[in-house]
Amino acid sequence: DSGVTQTPKHLITATGQRVTLRCSPRSGDLSVYWYQQSLDQGLQFLIQYYNGEERAKGNILERFSAQQFPDLHSELNLSSLELGDSALYFCASSVEASGRIREQFFGPGTRLTVL
Amino acid sequence: LAKTTQPISMDSYEGQEVNITCSHNNIATNDYITWYQQFPSQGPRFIIQGYKTKVTNEVASLFIPADRKSSTLSLPRVSLSDTAVYYCLVGDMSVGGGYNKLIFGAGTRLAVHP
Repeated sequence: DSGVTQTPKHLITATGQRVTLRCSPRSGDLSVYWYQQSLDQGLQFLIQYYNGEERAKGNILERFSAQQFPDLHSELNLSSLELGDSALYFCASSVEASGRIREQFFGPGTRLTVL
Repeated sequence: LAKTTQPISMDSYEGQEVNITCSHNNIATNDYITWYQQFPSQGPRFIIQGYKTKVTNEVASLFIPADRKSSTLSLPRVSLSDTAVYYCLVGDMSVGGGYNKLIFGAGTRLAVHP
């Protein structure tokens, strides 16, 4: 158990819909990262938040957005869903020590299926 | 942007030592080398991180030559439970150092046989 929690575990929805994925980082971790893993794309970095502020952006679509709340949990919002958005979505958190990120702790993931 | 190249798959047997090599010819001065392990339908798990020479922890060793253009993850005496995908990442891990440029490639699929 990494200490990172994600809900829901599974999500099935239809094209055109909007969903929200939730992540709670490890206690004390200020950074939250979101990743998408699909069969043909591998693990893709989407976005990073640090203490409520967006810090880095990866291959995140405009239909997707995220935020980190004062209690440090984060939500990833996916809208106008397409079949190709079906994937595992992982959240990770990390500690920054001595100005360097050593490791990220990944949650169990949310499996999104778009029908 | 340091791109990495790893073997797509490897096979081994229980009790053997496994060495997975990663090539990163364009590694930059500030880049660190990090390895993760991933089991099916689980999030990746950190294994080891290094900058140069050799790093060892309770589960693996990481060998990095002087030119840092490659690295080798060494797993001593593997067991069936080490069957997983192993990812090599290279990037500037400093705070604000462009973490968005880190890439999890296809990884190396290690199969350990009885």
